[in-house]
Amino acid sequence: AQSVAQPEDQVNVAEGNPLTVKCTYSVSGNPYLFWYVQYPNRGLQFLLKYITGDNLVKGSYGFEAEFNKSQTSFHLKKPSALVSDSALYFCAVRGSGNTPLVFGKGTRLSVIA
Amino acid sequence: SQTIHQWPATLVQPVGSPLSLECTVEGTSNPNLYWYRQAAGRGLQLLFYSVGIGQISSEVPQNLSASRPQDRQFILSSKKLLLSDSGFYLCAWRSRTTNEKLFFGSGTQLSVL
Repeated sequence: AQSVAQPEDQVNVAEGNPLTVKCTYSVSGNPYLFWYVQYPNRGLQFLLKYITGDNLVKGSYGFEAEFNKSQTSFHLKKPSALVSDSALYFCAVRGSGNTPLVFGKGTRLSVIA
Repeated sequence: SQTIHQWPATLVQPVGSPLSLECTVEGTSNPNLYWYRQAAGRGLQLLFYSVGIGQISSEVPQNLSASRPQDRQFILSSKKLLLSDSGFYLCAWRSRTTNEKLFFGSGTQLSVL
């Protein structure tokens, strides 16, 4: 069975500093990896995905993520955090075919001015 | 372009009452459809998914059920709500034929009192 771990419930970063939100996964076969962001009382918005190819994936709003197969990780990163980046971030994984997307429990990012 | 509609946005129901949440997708055909629940602003729990009309996979046994009477319609139901059914319910879809991301509806905040 596939699973996702986001080890940090909360990440606090000063505005302008780099940020990292951690994610590790477990899946049979090649992983399909995703990051989503959620603002209060809203649905989830897609940030980026890794399917195949370059291990460094660039996404929306200046975010990027690095796929590391040996460490089964897909950490989300941004070089310079903004206060507006404060939100709940979800990592997700699925296998091939019609397998459903499984989400981590989320990491709340707070960027402090 | 494709859109997903989910309603109602908020719902307050007494314990023991029935539930029906509806989700429809426009602009695509044969989508995979999903219901997720989010408790207390945190992790997403996959409840049901469907790869076709009348085909429902249940991920978590509980007093909820799902149906897919039409290709682009996905309904979440309960005959008798429990307090523990309170949460934020999200409908989502993705194309079956690509490695595309999930697209989420705006969610329904259900409070069972």
